[in-house]
Amino acid sequence: AQSVTQLDSQVPVFEEAPVELRCNYSSSVSVYLFWYVQYPNQGLQLLLKYLSGSTLVKGINGFEAEFNKSQTSFHLRKPSVHISDTAEYFCAVEGYSTLTFGKGTMLLVSP
Amino acid sequence: DSGVTQTPKHLITATGQRVTLRCSPRSGDLSVYWYQQSLDQGLQFLIQYYNGEERAKGNILERFSAQQFPDLHSELNLSSLELGDSALYFCASSISGEFGRELFFGSGTQLSVL
Repeated sequence: AQSVTQLDSQVPVFEEAPVELRCNYSSSVSVYLFWYVQYPNQGLQLLLKYLSGSTLVKGINGFEAEFNKSQTSFHLRKPSVHISDTAEYFCAVEGYSTLTFGKGTMLLVSP
Repeated sequence: DSGVTQTPKHLITATGQRVTLRCSPRSGDLSVYWYQQSLDQGLQFLIQYYNGEERAKGNILERFSAQQFPDLHSELNLSSLELGDSALYFCASSISGEFGRELFFGSGTQLSVL
């Protein structure tokens, strides 16, 4: 089986500050890893994904994530956040036939 | 706009009733997924269809069923509804059923069981 743990349910941050949203996963097989974002009253949309190759993955809107196999982590980072980044962020792992999501981290960006 | 259409957007019904949620995938996508989102359980995978056939099953209750039609739209049927079935139900689609593909989500159907 596979599982995802997002260590923070909420992360408050000031505009233009850096942010890191943490994600740890467990799986008994090789995995594919994803970050999705959900803006208010919308469905989820893909930020970035790791399938293979370079462990540093760049996504949309200036986000990036680093796959660390030894620590089974896939943390999401952005060097400088904007108010418009306020949303819920979901880490997901695919190791069998399904995509398993974490419980989400709410990123709250204030001026 | 993801290109995935879900109807209705909101649904209010009573316990014991049956409802049908509808999903039209993006043009060209063969695979449809259903997810349930609630505050306590988060996003739970329910079921996946690929080109009309069931591909994978998750935490779907026996009171729930789904199908994918020849035109690739999908319906999720929820019966004998309970208060705990109140949740946001998402449909997503992808071009194939292969690993590593991006899922495109609809805006969801908010189900309230009173």
